[in-house]
Amino acid sequence: DIVMTQSPDSLVVYLGERATINCKSSQNILYSSNNKNYLSWYQQKPGQPPKLLIYWASTRESGVPDRFSGSGSGTEFTLTISSLQAEDVAVYYCQQYWSTPLTFGGGTKVEIK
Amino acid sequence: QVLLVQSGAEVKKPGASVKVSCKASGYTFTSYAMHWVRQAPGQRLEWMGWINVDNGNTKYSEKFQGRVTITRDTSASTVHMELSRLRSEDTAVYYCAKSAAANIGPLEYWGQGTLVTVSS
Repeated sequence: DIVMTQSPDSLVVYLGERATINCKSSQNILYSSNNKNYLSWYQQKPGQPPKLLIYWASTRESGVPDRFSGSGSGTEFTLTISSLQAEDVAVYYCQQYWSTPLTFGGGTKVEIK
Repeated sequence: QVLLVQSGAEVKKPGASVKVSCKASGYTFTSYAMHWVRQAPGQRLEWMGWINVDNGNTKYSEKFQGRVTITRDTSASTVHMELSRLRSEDTAVYYCAKSAAANIGPLEYWGQGTLVTVSS
């Protein structure tokens, strides 16, 4: 199974400041034939299901604000919130869909300072 | 718009089975895979398996192999997930999630979740 490791576990950021979340996969999830990384990022607010933010490591889902961006390739990935807003308080998960079982990171809780 | 509406909360005794349903609307049901993911209290999201809604083929996580069955009813645009031989560790919120592809892909829409509580 591919193990997804996120850091940090939690993050406290001032409103308007940048938040950066890291995710590392135990195996390469870049498919050379199509040059795509099989990685998604999700946002989960309390009492709600996860919401897809980013897929193919850097493609923003329709309707997701452009302050959210994804980067990285191979085994190391980053989700960046360029200017944290109050509504961004949530837990963020990375997930690989390179192979089954699909696996998720442990989550990063983002709070406002 | 795409909607996935799941059945209501369940309370089960250890050893029993539970069947959770997920009714889809707003898209061509047979064109996209459906996955099941669970989240136990304080735990990370855990993938259970998926179904090719078009042909009914399934694949399950080895962790749940032999205990989980995912089926679909194309006439009702509904996918079911049945988990048997329940134990207390199966207490969790269970989600269906629509793939962005016919098979494996990002999980672009999620149901609201169904809380399953296993308690004697």
